[in-house]
Amino acid sequence: DQQVKQNSPSLSVQEGRISILNCDYTNSMFDYFLWYKKYPAEGPTFLISISSIKDKNEDGRFTVFLNKSAKHLSLHIVPSQPGDSAVYFCAASVSSRGLTFGGGTRLMVKP
Amino acid sequence: DAGVIQSPRHEVTEMGQEVTLRCKPISGHNSLFWYRQTMMRGLELLIYFNNNVPIDDSGMPEDRFSAKMPNASFSTLKIQPSEPRDSAVYFCASRRTGEQPQHFGDGTRLSIL
Repeated sequence: DQQVKQNSPSLSVQEGRISILNCDYTNSMFDYFLWYKKYPAEGPTFLISISSIKDKNEDGRFTVFLNKSAKHLSLHIVPSQPGDSAVYFCAASVSSRGLTFGGGTRLMVKP
Repeated sequence: DAGVIQSPRHEVTEMGQEVTLRCKPISGHNSLFWYRQTMMRGLELLIYFNNNVPIDDSGMPEDRFSAKMPNASFSTLKIQPSEPRDSAVYFCASRRTGEQPQHFGDGTRLSIL
């Protein structure tokens, strides 16, 4: 039973345009959500997070939106850069316990 | 500051052998997590510790797997005996209890022949 799902395994975007990565979850007990970025042969690197009491968090080019009623969150990257090409993981937690990860989305930003 | 340090980076061994993976968390972090990444199951939590005490080991797949944290700066994940289906990348992560985010090491790529 996958509690966190990323339905798009890959996404290709032109440099300078917006990248939108989506994530759905089923467990209403999740109270914290995170996005991680991962390059090959490296560990996941934290990107941005959001608490369940908020609906938006912004950090530079990265914005995360949370829609609790739809159990959906998204990561917006504007503008996209070639260096953003990586696998992006959505993750969720309950009361600061371990993370439940989605399957990842491979983002390719074309110059 | 040093991040989470895992060793070895790569391990290749034969089925039936004992495997020990090691992790040094970030100094001052008192929560430590072990994850496994496979093609079939993605990234999944195996076990986590708070202040060196195992809190949730429900993700540990079988009794062949065991984890210890003898002190605040060291943890091990042991597989005995190892099987080919244990082949995966094993990640360790740490954070201060109650805070986010978790910080990950670069993983150990384990291959069981």
